[in-house]
Amino acid sequence: KQEVTQIPAALSVPEGENLVLNCSFTDSAIYNLQWFRQDPGKGLTSLLLIQSSQREQTSGRLNASLDKSSGRSTLYIAASQPGDSATYLCAVGGNSGNTPLVFGKGTRLSVIA
Amino acid sequence: NAGVTQTPKFQVLKTGQSMTLQCAQDMNHNSMYWYRQDPGMGLRLIYYSASEGTTDKGEVPNGYNVSRLNKREFSLRLESAAPSQTSVYFCASIPGGARGQNSPLHFGNGTRLTVT
Repeated sequence: KQEVTQIPAALSVPEGENLVLNCSFTDSAIYNLQWFRQDPGKGLTSLLLIQSSQREQTSGRLNASLDKSSGRSTLYIAASQPGDSATYLCAVGGNSGNTPLVFGKGTRLSVIA
Repeated sequence: NAGVTQTPKFQVLKTGQSMTLQCAQDMNHNSMYWYRQDPGMGLRLIYYSASEGTTDKGEVPNGYNVSRLNKREFSLRLESAAPSQTSVYFCASIPGGARGQNSPLHFGNGTRLTVT
């Protein structure tokens, strides 16, 4: 059974810092890995999707990497802003595109102005 | 373009009551999912529908039933609500199929359910 772990569970940083969120998974036979953002009381918004054949994806100040062999992904946020404060969730898809995503419990990020 | 719409947004039930959570998507997606989110437990899959006419159990299906009414709609029913079903319920969809497997999951804004 796939298990996804995110460390740390919570993180507080001053504005302007670069930061890294970590995600690990137990079964490397994944179809893709997705990072989501969740604001309080809201649904999840997709940030980045990395296909199993890819090593990284970038969107603006966000960069996500994937190392399937070691079962790890990182989400790098450059020059953090108070508006980045949210919970970030990592999810992995199974060995086919229709296999439902398995989610980590998330990292709650606070960026202090 | 509304995306994924869930109704109601909030609901309070007494133990033993029944209700149906509604979900509809307007993106012509094939696959739809129901998750529940609880503090400290993360998101857990209840049921999913890979395509119209099919449904499958997820990690925590007990106490729930689903109906894929058509391609747009996927409902979740609680036949006899229990306090353990107090949670936030999210519906999500993805294009699925041969061309839509590497697409991001789209979520609704959730239904916050309290069972007393």
